[in-house]
Amino acid sequence: GAGVSQSPSNKVTEKGKDVELRCDPISGHTALYWYRQRLGQGLEFLIYFQGNSAPDKSGLPSDRFSAERTGESVSTLTIQRTQQEDSAVYLCASSFTGEETQYFGPGTRLLVL
Amino acid sequence: GQNIDQPTEMTATEGAIVQINCTYQTSGFNGLFWYQQHAGEAPTFLSYNVLDGLEEKGRFSSFLSRSKGYSYLLLKELQMKDSASYLCARGSRGSTLGRLYFGRGTQLTVWP
Repeated sequence: GAGVSQSPSNKVTEKGKDVELRCDPISGHTALYWYRQRLGQGLEFLIYFQGNSAPDKSGLPSDRFSAERTGESVSTLTIQRTQQEDSAVYLCASSFTGEETQYFGPGTRLLVL
Repeated sequence: GQNIDQPTEMTATEGAIVQINCTYQTSGFNGLFWYQQHAGEAPTFLSYNVLDGLEEKGRFSSFLSRSKGYSYLLLKELQMKDSASYLCARGSRGSTLGRLYFGRGTQLTVWP
């Protein structure tokens, strides 16, 4: 009964570099979400995957951000040419369906120098 | 945005009762969630309301009024470990189904 896991837990990178963040959802959960939490701010929706449907990418802040999901398992969030304003905690969540309770992973703390 | 409003900070003493209010935009409403988030940790689910009224779960209760776009989280018999940020989140219907819209969180500090 493992929960949502994310890796790495912390990432420090230089401005302009690409980073890849990974999320393993709870087994059996068809829905997967990415959120961003900047210091002192609320969680900000980024992207939502539901089964084999086209993902809802409308929350991605720029074309430097992209995400993929393999079937109903692992997802990766990629940030290209990172900027200092990308520094935040990136949280992944999963749920049985798109209307059920979302369970969060521990997050990846990204610092762009 | 979705205008999820909740107080930024609250303080209370051990053993007391505290009520954290949340107001939200009613259009497209699809349930109201409360999460607890300790510093440096992931949000953990506390409660979910989709119908009007009070849901009680141990020391924590959550209330919803859909017509008023209002919810509150009630914490009884406060303990030091309840010091955390409490996040109000609104579910959404239609083209934005699946998204949760979060408030900024209410930082609760419980004093001995």
